[in-house]
Amino acid sequence: DGGITQSPKYLFRKEGQNVTLSCEQNLNHDAMYWYRQDPGQGLRLIYYSQIVNDFQKGDIAEGYSVSREKKESFPLTVTSAQKNPTAFYLCASRKAGNYGYTFGSGTRLTVV
Amino acid sequence: KQEVTQIPAALSVPEGENLVLNCSFTDSAIYNLQWFRQDPGKGLTSLLLIQSSQREQTSGRLNASLDKSSGRSTLYIAASQPGDSATYLCAVPLEETSGSRLTFGEGTQLTVNP
Repeated sequence: DGGITQSPKYLFRKEGQNVTLSCEQNLNHDAMYWYRQDPGQGLRLIYYSQIVNDFQKGDIAEGYSVSREKKESFPLTVTSAQKNPTAFYLCASRKAGNYGYTFGSGTRLTVV
Repeated sequence: KQEVTQIPAALSVPEGENLVLNCSFTDSAIYNLQWFRQDPGKGLTSLLLIQSSQREQTSGRLNASLDKSSGRSTLYIAASQPGDSATYLCAVPLEETSGSRLTFGEGTQLTVNP
């Protein structure tokens, strides 16, 4: 079955470390997105990519980086510059045209 | 700037009741509107997608309506069940392109009591 796979499900980061969250889709979708979800604040867009080798900053890109070397993959790196990284991270994808969005199951990142 | 509001923030109902969740948006020039369900600690599951040219969509016990002129959408759940307990989110895209970003409401947390 087609879908979006996020890994790991849980991730723990020490202060000063960079960590990378994986997002893979086999839906042949063109666009991919990273959202952050905090309690009581809803979902906020971090980065998005419409095509391979191109991506744009969202509303809260500081302290994060992404790459889009393959259509299927859109990894997110949470750098040490992100001061409050503890959150639930959701990856999504969308096919070009008038289609809806498909979300992954999320990665919960905790700073220890 | 598009803003999406969902009312109520939380709702608790007895099993079997029909209920309505509300979503409003400030800019009526939307491309489409999507309703999602989120279980605790899980990702978002798409429930219904309504195109801007449509007035409603149905899937099983769920019916979503869209009134662009008034900036409102409703999600109607018939004969609610405990398994319907979850947070329901509505979202609209900002642009009419494949890279369009979604603006989300903050959700309605639904509890259906047996």
